[in-house]
Amino acid sequence: DADVTQTPRNRITKTGKRIMLECSQTKGHDRMYWYRQDPGLGLRLIYYSFDVKDINKGEISDGYSVSRQAQAKFSLSLESAIPNQTALYFCATSDPGGSSTDTQYFGPGTRLTVL
Amino acid sequence: AQTVTQSQPEMSVQEAETVTLSCTYDTSESDYYLFWYKQPPSRQMILVIRQEAYKQQNATENRFSVNFQKAAKSFSLKISDSQLGDAAMYFCAYRRTSGTYKYIFGTGTRLKVLA
Repeated sequence: DADVTQTPRNRITKTGKRIMLECSQTKGHDRMYWYRQDPGLGLRLIYYSFDVKDINKGEISDGYSVSRQAQAKFSLSLESAIPNQTALYFCATSDPGGSSTDTQYFGPGTRLTVL
Repeated sequence: AQTVTQSQPEMSVQEAETVTLSCTYDTSESDYYLFWYKQPPSRQMILVIRQEAYKQQNATENRFSVNFQKAAKSFSLKISDSQLGDAAMYFCAYRRTSGTYKYIFGTGTRLKVLA
């Protein structure tokens, strides 16, 4: 089984709809992240969480919210989706301890299309 | 602010040949980590190799190696004996060793492998 899973893998929605993207991990990592990927722009950080009680905004948090339900679960919500939120969304986890150098491990991505 | 630049949007290499992907970064920090991630058509982000800035020795992982030039702030990825499965987007990433622990990603280089 994959260490970091994302649901759904693909989603088409309409402008104004609320949508939630979910991320679960079995790696036991405390740190979790949400990114969006747009062509030509690379990955940009939306939100990150270093533990269940810690939530931080990234560089492009406007229009998004998150919930860290447990160490293993981190959800991203679009309260009122708009077309320019059409993108590929990635969840990632990391562990600052040991020899991993806080390397990030990514989920398979969710392709979201907002019509 | 830290930045990561990948100046080659696309590269091609003949199967079994060697190719080098470029990455430069800008930082005032002396200690940090650098990473190369591969994104094949499956969309999964896969860690290829990582380098700690305090280590002078270049990291290697099988056919993948880096040329880390700290003074020049350059971190190139060399792929030897290229295989069809190496075709993917490659992202360079930077992370500070302290502070906000955020990753900064480049915009990516698409590598095509020609049979």
